Amino acid sequence: AQKITQTQPGMFVQEKEAVTLDCTYDTSDQSYGLFWYKQPSSGEMIFLIYQGSYDEQNATEGRYSLNFQKARKSANLVISASQLGDSAMYFCAMRYHSSASKIIFGSGTRLSIRP
Amino acid sequence: GAVVSQHPSWVICKSGTSVKIECRSLDFQATTMFWYRQFPKQSLMLMATSNEGSKATYEQGVEKDKFLINHASLTLSTLTVTSAHPEDSSFYICSARAYRDFNYEQYFGPGTRLTVT
Repeated sequence: AQKITQTQPGMFVQEKEAVTLDCTYDTSDQSYGLFWYKQPSSGEMIFLIYQGSYDEQNATEGRYSLNFQKARKSANLVISASQLGDSAMYFCAMRYHSSASKIIFGSGTRLSIRP
Repeated sequence: GAVVSQHPSWVICKSGTSVKIECRSLDFQATTMFWYRQFPKQSLMLMATSNEGSKATYEQGVEKDKFLINHASLTLSTLTVTSAHPEDSSFYICSARAYRDFNYEQYFGPGTRLTVT
């Protein structure tokens, strides 16, 4: 069965520090994609970063990077130099191609940045 | 960029009534749209996959007679919650799939907050 696991329900981080949000996944598909989304209190889903299962390089987008360890089936999000505006819910998600490309989500991590 | 809109952004209805939520892809055509439900402090749960011109595919445990989905055009999918009850109060989010740069991308709408009194 396909599954996404986020083991950190909540995290507090000091402003300007780096933070790592954990995500592990389980799939029998060889071809899949991994996403991170940010959801502020407004509810909108903001796409942050994407990693394809065949991508050899870790994805990076500005202050966001994805630490992809395929053998361990982990896809941790690293936010460098955290800002107050980073306070939000963060969801790890997976798209697996055997299921018409549906995206399933992990349970989320609430990140709070302290000034 | 690709924009997905939802209408209404929030709605309050009385128990027993039906409410319709629209999801539109504004600047692209979407043969497939997805409907999610999110209860407070929980994750997004996929409810159904909506394909233009055909019946929706519902996830296990989702009542298809209660949550009617219609995808009548390449830019519009609707979710109708029939005979709504307070336990249907939730945040409903749609996403639309577009084929770009030889790949499928999914774009999320801003969500609709439904409160059933």
